[in-house]
Amino acid sequence: DAGVIQSPRHEVTEMGQEVTLRCKPISGHNSLFWYRQTMMRGLELLIYFNNNVPIDDSGMPEDRFSAKMPNASFSTLKIQPSEPRDSAVYFCASSPTPKESPLHFGNGTRLTVT
Amino acid sequence: SQQGEEDPQALSIQEGENATMNCSYKTSINNLQWYRQNSGRGLVHLILIRSNEREKHSGRLRVTLDTSKKSSSLLITASRAADTASYFCATGSSGNTGKLIFGQGTTLQVKP
Repeated sequence: DAGVIQSPRHEVTEMGQEVTLRCKPISGHNSLFWYRQTMMRGLELLIYFNNNVPIDDSGMPEDRFSAKMPNASFSTLKIQPSEPRDSAVYFCASSPTPKESPLHFGNGTRLTVT
Repeated sequence: SQQGEEDPQALSIQEGENATMNCSYKTSINNLQWYRQNSGRGLVHLILIRSNEREKHSGRLRVTLDTSKKSSSLLITASRAADTASYFCATGSSGNTGKLIFGQGTTLQVKP
């Protein structure tokens, strides 16, 4: 079991550029979560999917953020256009079921927007 | 929005001592989970306790849950330098949607 795989591990981009973060959940897991972590705000849930369907995107900060899960083995989080305040570590996590299940986290993507 | 609030924010102890971290939350839950995060890494699940449970053990970890006080505690016994990390509580809502909300975390330093 390779665990949750995120890419890239680090991303440095200029303000205004499009950023795409990628996640491969653990095979067989039906739920996928995107979190953002900053010193100021801690861990924030951005969006989560059950069976590839977005269930709650109320944490997505603005329309500049979008997430997709085209199939059970892949998800993307896109920021367009990016801003310096988007700088953070973005985590993807998956779980076997949506209810009372531990989350398995990837190692995150550290995004720096200059 | 933050649901769980950990206390203390930072804790420094000597190897061999016990470490206790507390978590308080505001709304009804169906489960509460504790996670550990080492620097530069993702969070690792430690233990899950359901709302109808009062105490749970896993190795050197002991978790308690008091739903009347909306609080939980994580006890690490006989701490080791390798326990140095940040510890987070996360609450699952009583609506059982799978949504987990994390607290701000406690940073634990265990000195050898």
